[in-house]
Amino acid sequence: AQSVTQLDSQVPVFEEAPVELRCNYSSSVSVYLFWYVQYPNQGLQLLLKYLSGSTLVKGINGFEAEFNKSQTSFHLRKPSVHISDTAEYFCAVSDRGGYNKLIFGAGTRLAVHP
Amino acid sequence: GAVVSQHPSWVICKSGTSVKIECRSLDFQATTMFWYRQFPKQSLMLMATSNEGSKATYEQGVEKDKFLINHASLTLSTLTVTSAHPEDSSFYICSARVGGGEGTEAFFGQGTRLTVV
Repeated sequence: AQSVTQLDSQVPVFEEAPVELRCNYSSSVSVYLFWYVQYPNQGLQLLLKYLSGSTLVKGINGFEAEFNKSQTSFHLRKPSVHISDTAEYFCAVSDRGGYNKLIFGAGTRLAVHP
Repeated sequence: GAVVSQHPSWVICKSGTSVKIECRSLDFQATTMFWYRQFPKQSLMLMATSNEGSKATYEQGVEKDKFLINHASLTLSTLTVTSAHPEDSSFYICSARVGGGEGTEAFFGQGTRLTVV
C-alpha cells in the first residue's frame, strides 16, 4: 500500500516570491508521482507527473518537481508565484500495476498575497 | 487534454431520497473510472474503481449498497447515493483514465456538490 504526506497544510507567500510545497511518500513498490491543482468547487488539473527518466519534471504554469528516491520525496517548486496560483495542491501516487488508482495527500493550500 | 464531464454540478436532496451522479468521458473511451469523495478542506478519498461491464471494486469502509456504481459503457459511469442522509453531504469527483498503459493520466470531472437536507 502507498501513502502520501504533505507536510504543510497551508503555505502563505507573497506574489513573485519562490515557493516549495513538500510531499513525501511511502511505498513498498515503485510508484508514479503526480501533482494536481484544485481551484474552488472544481475538479483537479494535472500539473506534472513523474513516470521514469529525469528526476526533474517540468509542468504547466511554470511549476516543476524533483523526484528524490532516497528521500522518498517529490517536492513542487515555482520560482515566482502569481496571485492566480492561489489554490489547493495535491500530491498523489499510484503503483505501477493494476488500475493505477491514485492515492492523494491531504493537500496544501497555497495562498499568494499581493 | 481529454474532457471528463460530471453532472449535475450541484444537487440538493431530501433525506431518504436517492441521487444519481453521472460521469462521462467526452472525447475518449474510459475502461476505468474512479469515484472520489472530498470533505471540506480535506483530501480526496477513493471510494471505488469502476470498470466497464463489470462490478465496481470498492475501497474498505465504503458501503457498496449505499453507493451504487454502474459503468454501462466506455464513456459513462454513474454513482447513485441511495437513501441519502445529511452525513452523505460531500463533494464527489470522478476521474477517467485515457487508454490502458501504465502511468497514463487520469482526467477529472468538475465535481458534484451534494447537500442532503
